[in-house]
Amino acid sequence: QQQVKQSPQSLIVQKGGISIINCAYENTAFDYFPWYQQFPGKGPALLIAIRPDVSEKKEGRFTISFNKSAKQFSLHIMDSQPGDSATYFCAASGASGSARQLTFGSGTQLTVLP
Amino acid sequence: DTGVSQDPRHKITKRGQNVTFRCDPISEHNRLYWYRQTLGQGPEFLTYFQNEAQLEKSRLLSDRFSAERPKGSFSTLEIQRTEQGDSAMYLCASSWQGASEQYFGPGTRLTVT
Repeated sequence: QQQVKQSPQSLIVQKGGISIINCAYENTAFDYFPWYQQFPGKGPALLIAIRPDVSEKKEGRFTISFNKSAKQFSLHIMDSQPGDSATYFCAASGASGSARQLTFGSGTQLTVLP
Repeated sequence: DTGVSQDPRHKITKRGQNVTFRCDPISEHNRLYWYRQTLGQGPEFLTYFQNEAQLEKSRLLSDRFSAERPKGSFSTLEIQRTEQGDSAMYLCASSWQGASEQYFGPGTRLTVT
């Protein structure tokens, strides 16, 4: 059972544009929603994360929007740069038990054209 | 470097051989996680330790897999009688107890021929 669904699978954006990646979750026990950035041959790097008590969190060019009632969250990358070209994963985890481990989406391969 | 480290970075082995990977977490992180990532997919949870206690194991962790964290510091993941389907990136992550943030190492790329 895929508990975190991510779209699109791939995304091509022009330099300076906005990249938007969407995720939806099913498990209401999830209370932590991070985004990871992964370059080829490297481990995932924590980018930004949000909890359900806020609807938006911004860090530099990266913003997470969160809709608790719809069980959806999204990553917005403003002023996208070629160096942002990577695979992005959304994930979710809960506070206890089997929910504590991260459940990942299937990833979005972002290409930012110069 | 105070991040999560993993060794080796790459391992090529023949089917049927045993392999062992090591993970050194960020110092003072008492939670340690193992994930497996196949090409084009997100990481999948395998198992997790709090200090030396193994608290959760995924159904993905067949009886050919064993993980240890004997002193609550580094951890090892052993795969016995490797199969071609075991070819993947094996990722280790660590976190503080009570914190949700997990920090990943660079991974060990396993290729079973």
